[in-house]
Amino acid sequence: QVQLVQSGAEVKKSGASVRVSCKTSGYTFNRFGISWVRQAPGQGLEWLGWISPDNGHTDYSQKVQGRVTMTTDTSTSTAYMELRSLRSDDTATYYCARSQGDISFDFWGQGSLVTVSS
Amino acid sequence: QAVVTQEPSLTVSPGGTVTLTCASSTGAVTSANFPNWFQQKPGQAPRTLTSSTNDRHSWTPARFSASLLGGKAALTLSGVQPEDEADYYCLLYHGGVQVFGGGTRLTVL
Repeated sequence: QVQLVQSGAEVKKSGASVRVSCKTSGYTFNRFGISWVRQAPGQGLEWLGWISPDNGHTDYSQKVQGRVTMTTDTSTSTAYMELRSLRSDDTATYYCARSQGDISFDFWGQGSLVTVSS
Repeated sequence: QAVVTQEPSLTVSPGGTVTLTCASSTGAVTSANFPNWFQQKPGQAPRTLTSSTNDRHSWTPARFSASLLGGKAALTLSGVQPEDEADYYCLLYHGGVQVFGGGTRLTVL
């Protein structure tokens, strides 16, 4: 069965970086994209971007462009999302989701809470 | 960047029917926006209900139906169950960028 298992909670200082991992199983990794979404406490969902494990193509939202890098490791079927220069409004639960390209979502990871403190 | 608008809250009686809508500030929503609909319950990750207009997933109950309606994306719940009480989000594709709506809190009362 398809599974996306994310790394654990992180607490970071303002200005630091965080890397969240998303280990997948149960399907051919290269055939689907991985999208990243975050949700600040008590708020709605925000799309951050996506990556194609097949060719490394990425699209990022304007809001995090320049601070975010999405990568994949095809040898371990794992996707990564690194966010730099963290600030307090980056405090959120970060989710990965499998997608057909960046169009159709299906399976989601369980989420990774990132807390940014000053 | 486009702004996607949903009803902030709706209330429906058990067994009733309710339609949630999803509008784009750029104009009419079409199949080229590949609408996705998600359900999220407190403390849980989102769950995909439908993708690309009305591609229902294997785990999505038949009472959930997505469509395009009056220039908006729509999600209709027929025969609402108490367990359908949740937040619902739509996602629209705008040429390389995905934008979520603000979400609709559905109360079953």
